[in-house]
Amino acid sequence: EVQLLESGGGMVQPGGSLRLSCAASGFTFSGYALSWVRQAPGKGLEWVSVVIGSGGSTYYADSVKGRFTISRDNSKSTLYLQMNSLRAEDTAVYYCARPRGFHGRNAFDLWGQGTMVTVSS
Amino acid sequence: EIVMTQSPATLSVSPGERATLSCRASQSVSSNLAWYQQKPGQAPRLLIYGASTRATNIPARFSGSGSGTEFTLTISSLQSEDFALYYCQQYNDWPPYTFGQGTKLEI
Repeated sequence: EVQLLESGGGMVQPGGSLRLSCAASGFTFSGYALSWVRQAPGKGLEWVSVVIGSGGSTYYADSVKGRFTISRDNSKSTLYLQMNSLRAEDTAVYYCARPRGFHGRNAFDLWGQGTMVTVSS
Repeated sequence: EIVMTQSPATLSVSPGERATLSCRASQSVSSNLAWYQQKPGQAPRLLIYGASTRATNIPARFSGSGSGTEFTLTISSLQSEDFALYYCQQYNDWPPYTFGQGTKLEI
């Protein structure tokens, strides 16, 4: 079955760190540029970060640049998001998402179920 | 960064009627525009890509149109399961990918 499965969410204090994982199955993981997209409670969708198939190129939203690091392990078909210096405004459901084709200029046709991150003291 | 603006924020329609949702881009995104549906507690689901192509298993009552900066999602005859949140997204000029703020379709 083609799917993405996130894990690693939880509650953390401001200034803390968390590492999210997204395990993929059913497709050629290494070929796709994969993204993290988040959704704060009651708010809209916000793209967070993308990593190109080889893992050599990464990009970030300004809101997380310098604090979050995206990476991937193609041998394990797993995507990661290391989140440091967390703030209250990072509280959200975090989704991993795959585009329709290998190129990033595509809509996201596969989403995980999401993992909740809560930043609170 | 391309800003996506959706209207209206909330649309009240009766079952069986037609719903028309709008999305505007701050600069041209060609036809690189997607629509997603999201229900409470669920991940977004791709409805339309390329501005007008239905994704796999999406019913024919969903249609998309437009190019450049103005786009429309039309649901021809609303079913009960269509009442949800809808987002547009541009993927022409990335990163960043940018989403509209959403339209809530309610009964």
